[in-house]
Amino acid sequence: AQSVTQLGSHVSVSEGALVLLRCNYSSSVPPYLFWYVQYPNQGLQLLLKYTSAATLVKGINGFEAEFKKSETSFHLTKPSAHMSDAAEYFCAVSYNQAGTALIFGKGTTLSVSS
Amino acid sequence: EPEVTQTPSHQVTQMGQEVILRCVPISNHLYFYWYRQILGQKVEFLVSFYNNEISEKSEIFDDQFSVERPDGSNFTLKIRSTKLEDSAMYFCASSESSVNTGELFFGEGSRLTVL
Repeated sequence: AQSVTQLGSHVSVSEGALVLLRCNYSSSVPPYLFWYVQYPNQGLQLLLKYTSAATLVKGINGFEAEFKKSETSFHLTKPSAHMSDAAEYFCAVSYNQAGTALIFGKGTTLSVSS
Repeated sequence: EPEVTQTPSHQVTQMGQEVILRCVPISNHLYFYWYRQILGQKVEFLVSFYNNEISEKSEIFDDQFSVERPDGSNFTLKIRSTKLEDSAMYFCASSESSVNTGELFFGEGSRLTVL
C-alpha cells in the first residue's frame, strides 16, 4: 500500500538554525510528493510539490525539498528557521495517475525557539 | 484571496445522531475532497468528488457516510449515525485540477465530537 513515513513527530530548532524534516515514501512506481503546512487553527497549505520535473523543488517561505529515488526520500529543509515557521508539517504522496487522493504522513510539529 | 470555508467549526453530538458538515469550495474548482484527522493521528483521505459523482473513496467511507453537492456551491458530508470513533477534525478541500498537478486548498476544518 502507498504510504509515507515522517521520522520524528516533533522537531525543535533555534531561530536561525537549519530545519530538516524527514519523509520517506514506499513505492514501486514514481510518486507525486507534497509537503503541506498547518498553522494553528488553520487549514493545510501547500508548501511545495514534486511531480517528476526537477528533483530539487523550491516552495514558499524559503523551504525546499529534494527527491531522492535511491533513498525513497523527500526531506524538507530550510537553511535558517524563523519563529513564524513553527507549525505542523505533513508529507503526502499520490500514486494515482488520475490523481484524486493524497496519502498523508502523521505530521511533524516544528518548534522554533529564540 | 479565495478560500474554502467550512461550517460548523465545532459540533458536539450524541452517538447515533446524524451530522452534516458543510463546505463551500473555491468557486472555479472542479474537484472536491473530504479528509479527517483523529486527534494525534494522520490526516486520512475519505472521498473525492468530481462531475457530480464520487471519483474515489477510502475504506473509511462506508455506508454511514455520504457526500452531496446540493446546489452547485455547497459540498456536504453526512454521517448518518455517528459513532464515538467518528470524533475527529474533518477537512474539506478543493482543487482546480486533479491532485497530481493541481494544488489542494483546504478549509480550516470542522471538529466533530461524538459523546
